[in-house]
Amino acid sequence: DAGVIQSPRHEVTEMGQEVTLRCKPISGHNSLFWYRQTMMRGLELLIYFNNNVPIDDSGMPEDRFSAKMPNASFSTLKIQPSEPRDSAVYFCASSLGRLKDEQFFGPGTRLTVL
Amino acid sequence: GIQVEQSPPDLILQEGANSTLRCNFSDSVNNLQWFHQNPWGQLINLFYIPSGTKQNGRLSATTVATERYSLLYISSSQTTDSGVYFCAVVNNDMRFGAGTRLTVKP
Repeated sequence: DAGVIQSPRHEVTEMGQEVTLRCKPISGHNSLFWYRQTMMRGLELLIYFNNNVPIDDSGMPEDRFSAKMPNASFSTLKIQPSEPRDSAVYFCASSLGRLKDEQFFGPGTRLTVL
Repeated sequence: GIQVEQSPPDLILQEGANSTLRCNFSDSVNNLQWFHQNPWGQLINLFYIPSGTKQNGRLSATTVATERYSLLYISSSQTTDSGVYFCAVVNNDMRFGAGTRLTVKP
């Protein structure tokens, strides 16, 4: 299996622009997770889907952030409008079962908002 | 929410040395994973170990869930072991510790 695939790997944008990050989970995995890593806050869970349904979005920082999973093989994390404090590495992960099962991470998207 | 503390925060070793990294957590957990974040930023799964002991080559891990801690052992360290080691626990959500930054010198 190719593992979790994320695109783009790097994104540089200007404040106020819309940013869309993409993730393809491991085939057959039922849960998908979005994380953010910053120097200040470390790794944080933003949102988690099970069978394409959002289960817990309590980690989403504010209304500017939204995530969708239209099917079992694709998810997006959108930031609109973006701000410099959104600069971080965003990871997507997937697991076979639910939150407590082993999670496998993608390579991450490094976002820089100028 | 659950608190996750890792120690030491930084560790510098000479190649060939052994080390023990610790992860303490403040509540019962359903899952515990150890990851290695390499210098390129990739998070690599090391162990999925909610309880018990596992070994994989030079690495092994032990989780004592009743006492709320896990240990990661690295034996005969190599320069490629450098990076940040994270433990992550699942209670109501997934929480990562702050990590142990390991530097292995040749």
